[in-house]
Amino acid sequence: TQLLEQSPQFLSIQEGENLTVYCNSSSVFSSLQWYRQEPGEGPVLLVTVVTGGEVKKLKRLTFQFGDARKDSSLHITAAQPGDTGLYLCAGANNAGNMLTFGGGTRLMVKP
Amino acid sequence: NAGVTQTPKFRVLKTGQSMTLLCAQDMNHEYMYWYRQDPGMGLRLIHYSVGEGTTAKGEVPDGYNVSRLKKQNFLLGLESAAPSQTSVYFCASSWDPRNTGELFFGEGSRLTVL
Repeated sequence: TQLLEQSPQFLSIQEGENLTVYCNSSSVFSSLQWYRQEPGEGPVLLVTVVTGGEVKKLKRLTFQFGDARKDSSLHITAAQPGDTGLYLCAGANNAGNMLTFGGGTRLMVKP
Repeated sequence: NAGVTQTPKFRVLKTGQSMTLLCAQDMNHEYMYWYRQDPGMGLRLIHYSVGEGTTAKGEVPDGYNVSRLKKQNFLLGLESAAPSQTSVYFCASSWDPRNTGELFFGEGSRLTVL
């Protein structure tokens, strides 16, 4: 089983602050996805990174895939209360037919 | 746009009872998945299907069975519920999970086993 560890597990910050969430593994993934989940709903895809070293930006969110494709990070600039939620990373196995999810980072942004 | 629909959304069972969770998707996706979500453990794959009539075990399959008789439906069964199966269950579907495929999730089914 490929394991993904996310850190921190919980993060409470003030509006306007920056933050980074990490997703680490000893295994290599063919791709890695980041999802965001709000209470009472299912996760929704934010981004998929495929190439080692890849950086993708989605407005105030910056996603990076490690060179060795074992880790990833999500950086949020000037966090807003609307960013509050559970952020999950998920790595695809080599066959690409299964995703392994990390334990999640629960983010709260206070106004 | 219905997307992925799960029923029921809430259920309380007594230990030893059986039940079935139904997942329906209207996006003509080949791949469907059942996950369970527990605090601090993210989503763990129970079973999945790569097409009508096929099923495969995921990370935590014990105590669960599944069936995919129709392409649009994926059923998750608990034959004899145990308190350890108290969780929130999510169904997901994908058109092509290989490498970059997006998973579309339902809203979840909260199951409590007393």
